[in-house]
Amino acid sequence: KAGVTQTPRYLIKTRGQQVTLSCSPISGHRSVSWYQQTPGQGLQFLFEYFSETQRNKGNFPGRFSGRQFSNSRSEMNVSTLELGDSALYLCASSFSGSVETQYFGPGTRLLVL
Amino acid sequence: GENVEQHPSTLSVQEGDSAVIKCTYSDSASNYFPWYKQELGKRPQLIIDIRSNVGEKKDQRIAVTLNKTAKHFSLHITETQPEDSAVYFCAASRGAGSYQLTFGKGTKLSVIP
Repeated sequence: KAGVTQTPRYLIKTRGQQVTLSCSPISGHRSVSWYQQTPGQGLQFLFEYFSETQRNKGNFPGRFSGRQFSNSRSEMNVSTLELGDSALYLCASSFSGSVETQYFGPGTRLLVL
Repeated sequence: GENVEQHPSTLSVQEGDSAVIKCTYSDSASNYFPWYKQELGKRPQLIIDIRSNVGEKKDQRIAVTLNKTAKHFSLHITETQPEDSAVYFCAASRGAGSYQLTFGKGTKLSVIP
């Protein structure tokens, strides 16, 4: 099976812009979770989607949003980018959403200037 | 919500020595504790996990111990090798029905040949 893929792998944006990141889960997996990884805060949970529904959300401002399509692919969007949004954004997929069976993608590295 | 503290933040050991990384958690309902290894520029990969009904689990040179009363768990790597050099993250969740992992901030392990 192909692994979790994320596009793009690298992205440079300026403050105030918005960005959309994409995650394609492992075939057959219906759950996609998103995490933000920064040197200071480590990995922090953003949200989780299952069958196009957001089931769980972390403690991030409303500028961070996501969605999932019927083919389980997921996108996350960050509006009005701030310098502090510079991070590695990781998605993880699993069949049912259980953290015990999730696999991470390679991440998208976002740099906000 | 859950809070996971991880120590130390950096650890240097001589090749062949043992390495120990410790984590504490706050949510007494947490019952699943995975450990991830992240090599430079790569995705986190699950290396071992433990559930609350088990006190210790081993997989070759890697072992994890859990003390539910004290709410702490530890990763032990014996006979360290240069390829063990990476950042290690502990995490906690409420287990199979949970869709969210709470991570520690990571330990950068350097194994000196």
